Amino acid sequence: KAGVTQTPRYLIKTRGQQVTLSCSPISGHRSVSWYQQTPGQGLQFLFEYFSETQRNKGNFPGRFSGRQFSNSRSEMNVSTLELGDSALYLCASSVRTDSYNEQFFGPGTRLTVL
Amino acid sequence: GDSVTQMEGPVTLSEEACLTINCTYTATGYPSLFWYVQYPGEGLQLLLKATKADDKGSNKGFEATYRKETTSFHLEKGSVQVSDSAVYFCALSQETSGSRLTFGEGTQLTVNP
Repeated sequence: KAGVTQTPRYLIKTRGQQVTLSCSPISGHRSVSWYQQTPGQGLQFLFEYFSETQRNKGNFPGRFSGRQFSNSRSEMNVSTLELGDSALYLCASSVRTDSYNEQFFGPGTRLTVL
Repeated sequence: GDSVTQMEGPVTLSEEACLTINCTYTATGYPSLFWYVQYPGEGLQLLLKATKADDKGSNKGFEATYRKETTSFHLEKGSVQVSDSAVYFCALSQETSGSRLTFGEGTQLTVNP
């Protein structure tokens, strides 16, 4: 099975612009989660989508949004970019296994805001 | 809310040395506990997991035991290799929170030949 893919892998934007990141989950996985990874804040949960519905949301401003399509692919959007949005954005798709959700992470999209 | 605390890094060891990375958590109920590993330039990979108290997760020579009484999930390996050099993250998830993971700060491990 192909793993989780994220596009693009690298992105450079300037302050005030907006950006859209894409994530294709493993075939058959209906849940997609997004995380932001920075040296200062570590790994922080952004949101989770399941069957096209947002199931969970972390503590990020409304500039961060996402959606999921009927084929389970997901996009996240960041509007009015700030320097502090520079980070590695990780997507994970998950499947229910026994009593927990096993998550599989993509390689990430490295966003640099200038 | 839930939180995970890992020992501060970075950790530098010689090959074949013993490894322990401490992890403690604060959470209600009975979360599932995980160790993830991140190699340079890559995403996270699940290393091992434990879903209930006293469970021991193990993989690739690494072990961790879910200790409810001390709210801990320390990662151990008896003999590390250069290829184990990576960043290790302790994490938890709650049954009521879908797939959401709460991560610790991460511990950079460097193993020298």
